[in-house]
Amino acid sequence: AQSVTQPDIHITVSEGASLELRCNYSYGATPYLFWYVQSPGQGLQLLLKYFSGDTLVQGIKGFEAEFKRSQSSFNLRKPSVHWSDAAEYFCAVGASGNQFYFGTGTSLTVIP
Amino acid sequence: KAGVTQTPRYLIKTRGQQVTLSCSPISGHRSVSWYQQTPGQGLQFLFEYFSETQRNKGNFPGRFSGRQFSNSRSEMNVSTLELGDSALYLCASSSGTGRYTEAFFGQGTRLTVV
Repeated sequence: AQSVTQPDIHITVSEGASLELRCNYSYGATPYLFWYVQSPGQGLQLLLKYFSGDTLVQGIKGFEAEFKRSQSSFNLRKPSVHWSDAAEYFCAVGASGNQFYFGTGTSLTVIP
Repeated sequence: KAGVTQTPRYLIKTRGQQVTLSCSPISGHRSVSWYQQTPGQGLQFLFEYFSETQRNKGNFPGRFSGRQFSNSRSEMNVSTLELGDSALYLCASSSGTGRYTEAFFGQGTRLTVV
């Protein structure tokens, strides 16, 4: 069965510190993986996606993610967090078209 | 170009009523899907439409229905509202139907059932 697990419900980091958000997936075929960010009261914005090729993908706002097939993981990273990065982050695997399986999300708090 | 537009942004309905939500996709996009987001269940797929045809449907009761018009605009309808239907309803549009297709989300409609 297809599923996405984000083990961390909530993470707090200091501004300027590095960040890693974890994501594990279960999918029978080659996974198409996405990270979305949601600010309060807003929709989802795509940060980055992995389809094939280089397992380290770069996204917007300085985010990157690494696909590790052996670990079924697609962790999101950022070297230095800014206060504006505080939001909810969702990992997703694409099923078809606009159908995604989303993780439960990780809420990020950034403290000054 | 304009993004995905959902109307209304906020809605309050009484239990037992029905509601219709609207979604206008990005110009040129023919695929529209709907998601329900709640604190307890997270983001759950409702259904997907492409060229006026429903392609996929999530695990929701028949009270939830949708349709897509020839201009790709989509509506979803929930009949006989229950308190548990209170949620943020998100619409996403994309240009195609492949798994690699990037989806763009609207800001959502916040439905409160009282």
